[in-house]
Amino acid sequence: GENVEQHPSTLSVQEGDSAVIKCTYSDSASNYFPWYKQELGKGPQLIIDIRSNVGEKKDQRIAVTLNKTAKHFSLHITETQPEDSAVYFCAASRGPGNNRLAFGKGNQVVVIP
Amino acid sequence: NAGVTQTPKFQVLKTGQSMTLQCAQDMNHEYMSWYRQDPGMGLRLIHYSVGAGITDQGEVPNGYNVSRSTTEDFPLRLLSAAPSQTSVYFCASSPDRGTQHFGDGTRLSIL
Repeated sequence: GENVEQHPSTLSVQEGDSAVIKCTYSDSASNYFPWYKQELGKGPQLIIDIRSNVGEKKDQRIAVTLNKTAKHFSLHITETQPEDSAVYFCAASRGPGNNRLAFGKGNQVVVIP
Repeated sequence: NAGVTQTPKFQVLKTGQSMTLQCAQDMNHEYMSWYRQDPGMGLRLIHYSVGAGITDQGEVPNGYNVSRSTTEDFPLRLLSAAPSQTSVYFCASSPDRGTQHFGDGTRLSIL
């Protein structure tokens, strides 16, 4: 099955700086890559996703890039704010026709004011 | 819309007891899933359903049962609780087998 790994496990950044989290996946057939943000005591919430026919997607201060050849994708947060502090999960699946998302173990991002 | 609603939010059980974790969604999503979240382990899929009357096993199904009699509800049953099942349980629904909408979880402790 699919194996998704996230690095680093914890990331501390100064407010206003950028944060980058990288995930690698093992299944070359995976074609859907979402990122979820989980705040304390809450369920994960989708913040951005990308499909394998696209190399980059941006939504305001967050962006995701995908390198299919190297089988990795990254989350970029620019101009970080204290409310960006959370646990971020990446995931991968074979997309339509397959409901089985494989999640990474999560990254704790701490934005220091 | 309430989205995905999970009850109860907290529960403490004794080893060997059984219970049902409830999950309901009001978005008319066909696909629903149960995950457990443990420290350092991320989210692991327990069972999932692609529509009413259809369920299948995920990555860690042992010790859990599910049923899907309606589109809205997807209960998770612990048959005989064990300390290894102490975890936070999340239910999710999806309109397209991709984007998952999560509830806020049930925190379960088994003594």
